[in-house]
Amino acid sequence: GAVVSQHPSWVICKSGTSVKIECRSLDFQATTMFWYRQFPKQSLMLMATSNEGSKATYEQGVEKDKFLINHASLTLSTLTVTSAHPEDSSFYICSARFRFSYEQYFGPGTRLTVT
Amino acid sequence: EDKVVQSPLSLVVHEGDTVTLNCSYEVTNFRSLLWYKQEKKAPTFLFMLTSSGIEKKSGRLSSILDKKELFSILNITATQTGDSAIYLCAVGYGGATNKLIFGTGTLLAVQP
Repeated sequence: GAVVSQHPSWVICKSGTSVKIECRSLDFQATTMFWYRQFPKQSLMLMATSNEGSKATYEQGVEKDKFLINHASLTLSTLTVTSAHPEDSSFYICSARFRFSYEQYFGPGTRLTVT
Repeated sequence: EDKVVQSPLSLVVHEGDTVTLNCSYEVTNFRSLLWYKQEKKAPTFLFMLTSSGIEKKSGRLSSILDKKELFSILNITATQTGDSAIYLCAVGYGGATNKLIFGTGTLLAVQP
């Protein structure tokens, strides 16, 4: 149980385009989903927290207009990187948790490369 | 500023060795400490610790938390090459959102 999927697993896009990444909890209802990014040889950095039916909460330094997050249902959250630039190239990972649980279950990640 | 520090940063051992990975933290509103294993992709959950002094065990892996000294250790006995990975320590904090702050990880390489 507690399986989280992400799509796509990798994407290459041109500078200036937008990319949407989906995160789905397959066998449970995720009241909260989290979006992280991870640069090579670095740890996971929390970008934003997404609660179903409400606006996402962004961490300090993360541009909310650039990283659009939508949590439309209890099983789906999306991250859209708008007007992507090469410095946005990274590994994006989502996680999901049950209500009142401290455990987060991670998706397999999405490797974004902006050329 | 909240922080989670792991040591060592990297470690190379031979199969059969026992390793101990360390995680210390300074986090306000501490809720829990979690250990994850990250291979090529996203982290997989190992343990969650909330109480001091109670060891959690799963096969050759075990972990314990000391909330007084603000640290945790992850032990791996009889290491295998399949244990090679980055081991991440994360601390859950805050209120209803239960966010995690991650350490930088320990890269473990197990040689045959």
